[in-house]
Amino acid sequence: GNSVTQMEGPVTLSEEAFLTINCTYTATGYPSLFWYVQYPGEGLQLLLKATKADDKGSNKGFEATYRKETTSFHLEKGSVQVSDSAVYFCALSDGQAGTALIFGKGTTLSVSS
Amino acid sequence: GAVVSQHPSRVICKSGTSVKIECRSLDFQATTMFWYRQFPKQSLMLMATSNEGSKATYEQGVEKDKFLINHASLTLSTLTVTSAHPEDSSFYICSARDRRAIYEQYFGPGTRLTVT
Repeated sequence: GNSVTQMEGPVTLSEEAFLTINCTYTATGYPSLFWYVQYPGEGLQLLLKATKADDKGSNKGFEATYRKETTSFHLEKGSVQVSDSAVYFCALSDGQAGTALIFGKGTTLSVSS
Repeated sequence: GAVVSQHPSRVICKSGTSVKIECRSLDFQATTMFWYRQFPKQSLMLMATSNEGSKATYEQGVEKDKFLINHASLTLSTLTVTSAHPEDSSFYICSARDRRAIYEQYFGPGTRLTVT
């Protein structure tokens, strides 16, 4: 079945450091891929998405490229800020109506000044 | 953009009572809504899929008589936790799928349930 694997956290960085959070997936067909962010005590917010191979999603300085050959969707940011501290979830959708997103386990990012 | 609301955001109830959580899509029609449960520092666990006008589909291990889901309209789904116990304390999150963009889900802000 479909699944998402994220790197284990927590990830601890200093402000302005480069961030990579790895995400790989297993899926049949052509899934859409997402990164969600969850700030403490809040629900999930869509950070970025890509719906087909080689698409690059980007938002708020974060980027991720849909790599079908490596079944990956790694999240990157060139210079993190303290305000980026949150939990990041990689997810996929098989695009079928009525099926839920499949989430990775989440990666906690902590950025210190 | 698509907005999903949940009410209440926090609720404290006594053991043995029932609690209803509402999930509304504010500016779109959601033929499908999903209910998730999240334990501290863990990922989201899908509890059930709710389609408007039909019975919810529950994931394995989720008690359908305990977690009653109703999806009476294209903009409202409710989750009722019946005879709540302390182990039901959790963060409950709903999401809704816009019928025009079936590959995306929009999430509510979550409801923190504490059972004492």
